[in-house]
Amino acid sequence: DAEITQSPRHKITETGRQVTLACHQTWNHNNMFWYRQDLGHGLRLIHYSYGVQDTNKGEVSDGYSVSRSNTEDLPLTLESAASSQTSVYFCASSPSGDRSIQYFGAGTRLSVL
Amino acid sequence: DAKTTQPTSMDCAEGRAANLPCNHSTISGNEYVYWYRQIHSQGPQYIIHGLKNNETNEMASLIITEDRKSSTLILPHATLRDTAVYYCIVIPQGGSEKLVFGKGTKLTVNP
Repeated sequence: DAEITQSPRHKITETGRQVTLACHQTWNHNNMFWYRQDLGHGLRLIHYSYGVQDTNKGEVSDGYSVSRSNTEDLPLTLESAASSQTSVYFCASSPSGDRSIQYFGAGTRLSVL
Repeated sequence: DAKTTQPTSMDCAEGRAANLPCNHSTISGNEYVYWYRQIHSQGPQYIIHGLKNNETNEMASLIITEDRKSSTLILPHATLRDTAVYYCIVIPQGGSEKLVFGKGTKLTVNP
């Protein structure tokens, strides 16, 4: 069955380190998204991509970057991790026909100490 | 985008139908109603969406009132695994890259 997987599921890192969270989907979806979820803020969109070589900033993109070199993967990089980036991160993908039908991964819980 | 209002919490007995209401009185003619849910410690899960007609899929049914100001998500035979927070959101035709969930309804299915 097609799926979307995130790795690692849990990560602890130190302030200032570069961290990359992986997202891989096997649906062949063109659209992929990264969100963070924090208590009191709900889901917030970080970056999204509508296809290979396409990336766009979401509402909370500062301190994060993405690159899309193939259809299946959209890794999220924290250039210099900060404590404010401690959160649960979700990756999602959607078919080209309806970007609002998004299929989410299980999430990565990141702690920045 | 139109705002939605949902009850904070609901309870349902296992095996019974769960009916989750949502008010979206300011919905525009080109806006769709989408439902997602989030089970504890998991990612959100798409359930169903519709414009004005009733919709059914393998997970649930969506009933939208004729004036489109409210809708009801129906889980016909709730199981313990349906315990989750359910979110009703309104999205314009053409979709949106950003899903904005409100506080949703915490549904607890009891044995």
